[in-house]
Amino acid sequence: EAGVAQSPRYKIIEKRQSVAFWCNPISGHATLYWYQQILGQGPKLLIQFQNNGVVDDSQLPKDRFSAERLKGVDSTLKIQPAKLEDSAVYLCASVTGTGTYEQYFGPGTRLTVT
Amino acid sequence: AQSVTQPDIHITVSEGASLELRCNYSYGATPYLFWYVQSPGQGLQLLLKYFSGDTLVQGIKGFEAEFKRSQSSFNLRKPSVHWSDAAEYFCAVGVTGYNKLIFGAGTRLAVHP
Repeated sequence: EAGVAQSPRYKIIEKRQSVAFWCNPISGHATLYWYQQILGQGPKLLIQFQNNGVVDDSQLPKDRFSAERLKGVDSTLKIQPAKLEDSAVYLCASVTGTGTYEQYFGPGTRLTVT
Repeated sequence: AQSVTQPDIHITVSEGASLELRCNYSYGATPYLFWYVQSPGQGLQLLLKYFSGDTLVQGIKGFEAEFKRSQSSFNLRKPSVHWSDAAEYFCAVGVTGYNKLIFGAGTRLAVHP
């Protein structure tokens, strides 16, 4: 079984530029999560999708961050414009469906904003 | 509010020594508890989980954890550490009804030969 795929693995941009990350969850996994992991901290949930609907985006900075999962499969997270404090690893995870807590994580995208 | 505390930011042990990583949680109901490991440049891998039943749970790579309700703890243990265990370890609590996990800040484990 293929795991959660993410791209790119690394990205360096200047502040005020925009950037997009892509995630393809495990086949058949209905729920998809985006996390932000700042160096020295645990992952923090940004947004949770159930199929193509948003379940929780309470911690997503909506003035600059956006995410979509149009067909209920892969997802894109965008930052526009980026700030220095957005430097972090962005992790994508998926689970099979409701009532399941065992999340499978992708390798993450390391973003550096200069 | 739910939260997870991992008191030790960094732990160093010698190869072959025993290991215990501490985790304390704050949660109103019976928690779902998890330990994940993250190797450099990798995503998080599930080591073990507790949902109910036996309070001592076994995981992969020889790890185990014990749920102690009276202490609100879920400490991770391994009797003999290998150099390949060097990584960052995260404890997490599942928010029931929402399929969400709340993570602690992590403990970075270094293993001396």
